[in-house]
Amino acid sequence: DVKVTQSSRYLVKRTGEKVFLECVQDMDHENMFWYRQDPGLGLRLIYFSYDVKMKEKGDIPEGYSVSREKKERFSLILESASTNQTSMYLCASSSGREGDQPQHFGDGTRLSIL
Amino acid sequence: QQQVKQSPQSLIVQKGGISIINCAYENTAFDYFPWYQQFPGKGPALLIAIRPDVSEKKEGRFTISFNKSAKQFSLHIMDSQPGDSATYFCAAPSASGTYKYIFGTGTRLKVLA
Repeated sequence: DVKVTQSSRYLVKRTGEKVFLECVQDMDHENMFWYRQDPGLGLRLIYFSYDVKMKEKGDIPEGYSVSREKKERFSLILESASTNQTSMYLCASSSGREGDQPQHFGDGTRLSIL
Repeated sequence: QQQVKQSPQSLIVQKGGISIINCAYENTAFDYFPWYQQFPGKGPALLIAIRPDVSEKKEGRFTISFNKSAKQFSLHIMDSQPGDSATYFCAAPSASGTYKYIFGTGTRLKVLA
């Protein structure tokens, strides 16, 4: 069974801090994704990666960056946290190059920026 | 920006009833339409998906109906149970890339015992 593990379930940080969210998957998946989930807005893609050291912007990349140095690990970085980045962050992974494969999600990190 | 319109936003159904959630999408890069189920405190999990070489896919009490010409697909939950109470998301492939999906805004389903 695919397991996507996010390092923290809850995180509280202060405005202006640099914040790291970590995600690890154990199924050798090529693709990894970071979403944020907000009530009434669904899941919105921040960044994704289809290979080590490769990344592409999603729909809301502003204020975020990512790092993928190893295939199993995908990090989301908030360069200078702001209160409007308070949200639930979800990591996901999927296999293959064709796109028509399901995404497997972690249980999320609820991030509060004070 | 590409959207997937999901309705209703919330749904209350009696135990044993039928729950129906609808999604409408725009152009897609390929045809694969998944539904995800999310319980409180958990991440979304794949519930059922359809590749539209067929117009309907059934798995147990869950059925996806697909209308390619109308660019619509729906989830039907037959004999709804209290354990089905969750938030449901539809998703459609983005028109702009191979790996990107656009998610609906979610439907919060409550099944009354």
